[in-house]
Parts: sequence; structure tokens; C-alpha cells
Amino acid sequence: ETGVTQSPTHLIKTRGQQVTLRCSSQSGHNTVSWYQQALGQGPQFIFQYYREEENGRGNFPPRFSGLQFPNYSSELNVNALELDDSALYLCASSLVTATPETQYFGPGTRLLVL
Amino acid sequence: SQQGEEDPQALSIQEGENATMNCSYKTSINNLQWYRQNSGRGLVHLILIRSNEREKHSGRLRVTLDTSKKSSSLLITASRAADTASYFCATDNFGNEKLTFGTGTRLTIIP
Repeated sequence: ETGVTQSPTHLIKTRGQQVTLRCSSQSGHNTVSWYQQALGQGPQFIFQYYREEENGRGNFPPRFSGLQFPNYSSELNVNALELDDSALYLCASSLVTATPETQYFGPGTRLLVL
Repeated sequence: SQQGEEDPQALSIQEGENATMNCSYKTSINNLQWYRQNSGRGLVHLILIRSNEREKHSGRLRVTLDTSKKSSSLLITASRAADTASYFCATDNFGNEKLTFGTGTRLTIIP
């Protein structure tokens, strides 16, 4: 158990809808990263939040957006869902001042878009 | 895009045997980490090796890193049924906090 929690565990949406996924960081961690993992693939970096600001973004369109709250928990929002958005969404928390930095992953939210 | 690839894509061995999987990557790195994933759930951090290290051990795990070849290997000794999982290598670059993952090796331990 890493202490990182995510909700919900599973979600079914239809194309065009919007979805919000939530993540609570491990205690003491100030950075949250989000990854998308398609079936049979490795996780792909979506973006990272540090001190409530976006701190790096992968190759994902603007309809993927996020928030980080003062308690370091985070949300991932996806608008105008597409079928290809079906995937496991993982969040990971870390302490940016740790050297080297290790990211601790939550159990993931499995999203199915129909 | 993926940083590189794990090899083999899938591996089945008898319980008690050693399992070796390899990871190749494309760009210079700061650290390389190995993660385990059970049944498409969360990733569990196994071991981290820095770019200036060549070998590291943790329990039944041995990791090597060859930066000249941009490759790493993970050895699991005396395998157990509980080691059945997918294994991913992930790299991070200097000044860039994101992890770039490989495509994974699916390891099956046969009791």
C-alpha cells in the first residue's frame, strides 16, 4: 500500500461526456502526476502538479485538464470524451525535494467510454 | 510516446527459476526505475538505479544499468508464484520530473 488513493475505481461514460477523477496524495507529498495507461501499453505522462500549478505536460490535448488543492490532492478532468480515452488512469505522488525522486502510484481508475 | 521497450514482451518460467528482463531506452537519463503491476492495477515501485551506478541489489532483485548501451536488466532470483505480474522500466531526465515508461514484460510463474 502506497497511501495514494484514487476514486472512483471504475467508471463508464459515453462519448462526448465529461469526467472527473480524483487522487489523494501520500502524506507529506507535494507533487501529483497523472498517467494514462491504455490496454497492453505502458503508462503515458499526462501532466504534473506542484504547489497547485501545472509543472510539465505530456502530449495530451487541452481537453485534459487538472487541479491540485492546498492539501495536495488532485483532480483530472477530461472533456468531450472519445472512445480512445478508455484506459486506466493512474496518479502518483512524490516529494519534489527528495533526491532522487520516487513516485508512488495509486490503484488507478479504469474508465470505459462507450 | 514510449521511451523504449522491454524484452521479452512475455516470459513464462517455473517457480524457483530466475527471471531476467531487459529494458532499452532512447535518450540520456537521470535515473531508471523498475515497477511491478498486478492485473492492470497500480504500479509498485521496486528499485531505482541512478545513471552513475552500474548495479544495485534489493532482496531477490538485481538491476544493472549500461548507459553506453542505453539498457538495463532486472533479474528476479528464486521466483515465486506471487511474482506473476507485468514489469515496467521507467526513466526520468535531468530537469524533467515526468517518468517515461517502456512497454512492459508480462511475467508468468508456473507453480
